[in-house]
Amino acid sequence: EAGVAQSPRYKIIEKRQSVAFWCNPISGHATLYWYQQILGQGPKLLIQFQNNGVVDDSQLPKDRFSAERLKGVDSTLKIQPAKLEDSAVYLCASSLGQQQETQYFGPGTRLLVL
Amino acid sequence: SQQGEEDPQALSIQEGENATMNCSYKTSINNLQWYRQNSGRGLVHLILIRSNEREKHSGRLRVTLDTSKKSSSLLITASRAADTASYFCATDPGGSYIPTFGRGTSLIVHP
Repeated sequence: EAGVAQSPRYKIIEKRQSVAFWCNPISGHATLYWYQQILGQGPKLLIQFQNNGVVDDSQLPKDRFSAERLKGVDSTLKIQPAKLEDSAVYLCASSLGQQQETQYFGPGTRLLVL
Repeated sequence: SQQGEEDPQALSIQEGENATMNCSYKTSINNLQWYRQNSGRGLVHLILIRSNEREKHSGRLRVTLDTSKKSSSLLITASRAADTASYFCATDPGGSYIPTFGRGTSLIVHP
């Protein structure tokens, strides 16, 4: 069974530029999560999708971050414009259902904003 | 603020010793999960314990849950150098099914 795929693996941009991350969850997984993990901290949930609907996006900085999950499968997370403090690893995870079942994580995208 | 807080922040032991780390949380939960993160394999799920369970085992891992104290512990027995990683607990505050991770315990196992 293929795991959660993410791309790109690394990205370096300058502040005020835009960046987009892509995630392909495990086939059949209805729930998809995007996390931000700053060095030395635990993952912080940015947005949670159930199929193509948003379950929670209370910690998503909506003035600069956006995410979508078209057709309830792949998802993209965008930052526009990026700030220095957005430097972090962006993790995508998926689970079979919503009831906080086991989450399977992708390798993450390491973003550096200069 | 973090829902789950792991303790200690860092732990250094010798191979073969046991490692115990704890997680405390503030509100009711449906379940609690432990994850491991190292540079080689990313975040990996270890074990899930539901609010009506008190103890679960998986190989060398033993997890306990005390809902009256709002705390959980993860015991790794006979540790190996390969257990070197950060360990996180994840809960769903208020039984929301919206996951919240703690800051993690950094475990170093010396060969």
